[in-house]
Amino acid sequence: DADVTQTPRNRITKTGKRIMLECSQTKGHDRMYWYRQDPGLGLRLIYYSFDVKDINKGEISDGYSVSRQAQAKFSLSLESAIPNQTALYFCATSDPQPGNTGELFFGEGSRLTVL
Amino acid sequence: AQKVTQAQTEISVVEKEDVTLDCVYETRDTTYYLFWYKQPPSGELVFLIRRNSFDEQNEISGRYSWNFQKSTSSFNFTITASQVVDSAVYFCALSDFTVGGYQKVTFGIGTKLQVIP
Repeated sequence: DADVTQTPRNRITKTGKRIMLECSQTKGHDRMYWYRQDPGLGLRLIYYSFDVKDINKGEISDGYSVSRQAQAKFSLSLESAIPNQTALYFCATSDPQPGNTGELFFGEGSRLTVL
Repeated sequence: AQKVTQAQTEISVVEKEDVTLDCVYETRDTTYYLFWYKQPPSGELVFLIRRNSFDEQNEISGRYSWNFQKSTSSFNFTITASQVVDSAVYFCALSDFTVGGYQKVTFGIGTKLQVIP
């Protein structure tokens, strides 16, 4: 099983609908992130969380909200989806302690299409 | 603000050719981390390397090598004797550095590499 699991993997929805993307991890990392990937724009940070009480906006947080339900769970919500939120979404975790590589561990991605 | 520029959006090479992917970054921090990630056609993101700003040694791992030059704010990635399996999108990334680790990672837009058999 993957260490970082995202659900759903694919979702098609309509404009105005509420959507939740869920992320769970078994790595025991405190830090979790949501990124969105668009062609020609790379990965852009939406929100990040360093523990259940610490949530921070990234560069493109407008139109999104998050919830850190537990150390292992970090959900991304689109309260009222719009077509320009069509993208590939990645959840990631990290444990950048001395001696570690500090890499981000990514989920497999959730492809969202908003019609 | 941090910024990562990957000026090459797409590169095509013939198998066995060497290819260099450029990465230029901007940061006001004196200490920071640099990363390269690979995204093959299957879509997952694969970590390749992390480099600390205070370690300017170049690194080689098999056919992969990285050239970090602080003076030019560049962290270039070279694949020697490219193979079809190297076809992917490659992302360069930058993070700040704090006690206990970095805060957040900023990615470039990626360079799509196509290796033609």
